[in-house]
Amino acid sequence: SQKIEQNSEALNIQEGKTATLTCNYTNYSPAYLQWYRQDPGRGPVFLLLIRENEKEKRKERLKVTFDTTLKQSLFHITASQPADSATYLCAPPNPGGSYIPTFGRGTSLIVHP
Amino acid sequence: DGGITQSPKYLFRKEGQNVTLSCEQNLNHDAMYWYRQDPGQGLRLIYYSQIVNDFQKGDIAEGYSVSREKKESFPLTVTSAQKNPTAFYLCASGTDSGANVLTFGAGSRLTVL
Repeated sequence: SQKIEQNSEALNIQEGKTATLTCNYTNYSPAYLQWYRQDPGRGPVFLLLIRENEKEKRKERLKVTFDTTLKQSLFHITASQPADSATYLCAPPNPGGSYIPTFGRGTSLIVHP
Repeated sequence: DGGITQSPKYLFRKEGQNVTLSCEQNLNHDAMYWYRQDPGQGLRLIYYSQIVNDFQKGDIAEGYSVSREKKESFPLTVTSAQKNPTAFYLCASGTDSGANVLTFGAGSRLTVL
C-alpha cells in the first residue's frame, strides 16, 4: 500500500533562517501533491499545490519542489518568522484513482525569535 | 463569507451514547469529507460523499454513520459501537475534480467521559 512519510520530530530553527520540510512517498506516483498548514486546535489550511510536471512552485516566502524520481517533495519557508510555527502536512491524492487527499502525519515547525 | 461550519466545537459524551457532529458548507462543493485526527497521527478518512444521497466508507468507518440529504450538509454520527471515539474530528469539502483542494472546518473535539 502507499505510504507517506514526514519527519515525525519537530523542526526547530531560528527566525530568519530557511526551514525545509520533507515529504517522502512510496509505492505509487501521484500526479500532484498538496501542502497544508495546521495550527493547534484548528483545521488545516491549503498552502500550495505542485503537479508532477512542475519541478518547483513558489508563493511569497514559500517554495515547494517535487522530485518524481526520488519520490519526494520538499517544502521551504525562507526568512522564517515565529508566526510560521505550525504543523505542515503533505497530501498527495489517494492512489485508488479518486481525488481524495491522503495526509501524512505532518511535521511541526517551531521558529524561535 | 464562504466556508465550512462545524458544531459543536467541544462535545462530551458518556459511554453508550450516540452523538452527532454537524458540518455545513456554503462553497457549493460537490464533495464532503470527514477525517479523524489523533495526537501524533495524520488525518484518517472516515466517510466521504461525492454527491447528494450517496456516500462511501473511508479507511476507518466502523462505529460511524453519515447522511447527505442536502448538498450543503454532511453530519457525522459517532455511535456507541465506536470503541475509542475521543478525538478531533475535521469536516472538509472540495470540488472532487482536478486537484481537489480541500477547505476544512475548525474541527470538533469529542471527549468520552
